[in-house]
Amino acid sequence: NAGVTQTPKFQVLKTGQSMTLQCAQDMNHEYMSWYRQDPGMGLRLIHYSVGAGITDQGEVPNGYNVSRSTTEDFPLRLLSAAPSQTSVYFCASSYLGTGNTEAFFGQGTRLTVV
Amino acid sequence: GDSVTQMEGPVTLSEEAFLTINCTYTATGYPSLFWYVQYPGEGLQLLLKATKADDKGSNKGFEATYRKETTSFHLEKGSVQVSDSAVYFCALSARTNAGGTSYGKLTFGQGTILTVHP
Repeated sequence: NAGVTQTPKFQVLKTGQSMTLQCAQDMNHEYMSWYRQDPGMGLRLIHYSVGAGITDQGEVPNGYNVSRSTTEDFPLRLLSAAPSQTSVYFCASSYLGTGNTEAFFGQGTRLTVV
Repeated sequence: GDSVTQMEGPVTLSEEAFLTINCTYTATGYPSLFWYVQYPGEGLQLLLKATKADDKGSNKGFEATYRKETTSFHLEKGSVQVSDSAVYFCALSARTNAGGTSYGKLTFGQGTILTVHP
C-alpha cells in the first residue's frame, strides 16, 4: 500500500527554470492538494482538486500550475522558478465526505532555487 | 477566514515531563480539528482528531479535547519520551453544517517544534 508518493525528494533549480513535481495516490481519493512548508509559517495551500478535471487555487497559487487528468495523479508545475519558491512541498489526498476527512501526506520534495 | 494559532515554540522538555501545546482556532461553520505530527525528514501523519464539540481525540498517549466555548484544541501528554521529538501541527477542516461535506482542505497552525532530552 504505497499511499501518497511524491517525486523527486530533492531538487535544485536555477532561477527561471521550470519543473514538475509529481504526486500520485493509490487510495482512490477524490481530493488532492499541494502545500508548501516554510519555517514559522506552517503549511500553506497552493492548489487543490476535488476530482479529475477540477482544480482551484489555494492561499498561495502564484507561480504554480496544476492539472488533474486522472484520479491518481496531481502534478505541480513551476513555470519559472524564483528563489522565493525555495521550500518543502507536500502533496496530500483525502476522501470527500461527511465527518472528518483524514489527509494523507507524501514525504515531501525539498526544492532549492538558486 | 479560518485560522489556527499555536503556542510559540520551540518546546524543550526532559523525558517523562508533562506536555501541553496550546492551539486556538477561528472558523465559521462546524470545523473538524486535527493534530498532525512530522518526524524529521518525513511527511505529516495524523496524530489525533475530533469532529464535534466535547469530543476527545487520543492516540499514543496524546490527548486533545475539542472546546467550542474557548475555541481551543490543546494537545497534552502526561509523560513524553525522546521518540516524541517532532514538529506538531494543529489544523482544522471546515464544514458549512454539522452534517456537511468536509473537503479535506486544511488550515494549519505554524507548528511547534518539540525536543525531548533523556
